[in-house]
Formats: sequence, structure tokens, C-alpha cells
Amino acid sequence: TQLLEQSPQFLSIQEGENLTVYCNSSSVFSSLQWYRQEPGEGPVLLVTVVTGGEVKKLKRLTFQFGDARKDSSLHITAAQPGDTGLYLCAGPPISGSARQLTFGSGTQLTVLP
Amino acid sequence: DTGVSQNPRHKITKRGQNVTFRCDPISEHNRLYWYRQTLGQGPEFLTYFQNEAQLEKSRLLSDRFSAERPKGSFSTLEIQRTEQGDSAMYLCASSLLQNSYNEQFFGPGTRLTVL
Repeated sequence: TQLLEQSPQFLSIQEGENLTVYCNSSSVFSSLQWYRQEPGEGPVLLVTVVTGGEVKKLKRLTFQFGDARKDSSLHITAAQPGDTGLYLCAGPPISGSARQLTFGSGTQLTVLP
Repeated sequence: DTGVSQNPRHKITKRGQNVTFRCDPISEHNRLYWYRQTLGQGPEFLTYFQNEAQLEKSRLLSDRFSAERPKGSFSTLEIQRTEQGDSAMYLCASSLLQNSYNEQFFGPGTRLTVL
């Protein structure tokens, strides 16, 4: 059983559309990070959310941390082909080691031109 | 380029052979991590160093796996007597001890294929 469940697993959309991907857990996280990974490369950190209810914006990307710090969402406005990649959420669960990141299995996003 | 580097990028080996991977972290980062990632999954934690000390190891790290960071700079991950199930992407990441949220910076990975 994954500690962090991401949905959907796959998403294919047309350029210009909006989308939201989700990261859910039954455990509380002290913070959650979002990464994007392209084929054959390592994950690249996009943002860290730390406070329950927090919303962070990074250009067309909006990240939200749930009030109870058990879930997070990533919303992309007017998606572009350059947004294509594997989106991963990760964090240290409060009940576990603060030094280990637990990753979800990711959402594979494809934006078609 | 001052990011995390890993060598080799790709390794193909026969079952039973030993392999060694190298990771060079961002120079001022004192924390170093190894992860394994299989197709369609997120990275799974293997082990963690703070400077030269190996402080945590996952139960995924069988006795065929050993990692070192002898001078607190670069690290090596060795897999002995490789098995087909070891085929995966091996990722290295580093971070600063002072970073409260343990934000990690990843290298490009080493793709291992065991035939």
C-alpha cells in the first residue's frame, strides 16, 4: 500500500486545457514537496508546501496543501507541451523519519500540441 | 554545472556481476541520499548519509548492497551478485542539513539493466 496515493495515474490533454492532479494520504505530513521528472532524468523540485491550507503559485501552476496536511493538489492553467512529465509528490510523514522522503507513484501528464 | 552528477548514466551487466555507481553531490550539501526507481513508480528510499556517516538504511537495502561516503563528499553504491530484479534507475540526491524541509536535489540517475 502506497503511503501517498496520486491520481490520476495518467492524464493526456490538449494544449491550453486546465488540469488538476491529486496527492492523498491517511497520514499527516510535516511538509509536502512536488517534483517533475522527465524521461531519463532525475526529479526536479517545483515547490514545498508546509502549512495546512497553504496555497503557492508558480506561474501557471497552483499548489495547495490540505488543512489537515494529509493531501495536496496541483492545478495547471493553460497547459503547454513543456509541462509534459511525471509529477511526483513527496514528503516526510510525521510518524516516520524526517530525513526520508516518501514518494507517491506519480501522475504521468502528456500535453498534446 | 554545480548540480548533482552521477556516473555512469547507463550500465548493462550480466546477472551475478558486481556493479558500482558514483554520485557527486552539490559541493556544500552535507546530506546525501540514494533512491531506487522502477518503471511507473516513484523513487524508493535506500540509504542516507550525513557527511561521512551512514545514518539510515531501508530494509530494501539487502546485504548485496553497500554504500559509502568516505570523505563526506562523493558517494558510491555497490551491488554485488546482481539479479534481474535489481534492474532500475538508481538516483542520488543531496540537501543541506540546515534545510528544515529536507528539500532534495536529484542527479540524473544511473539506469541499471541486468541481463
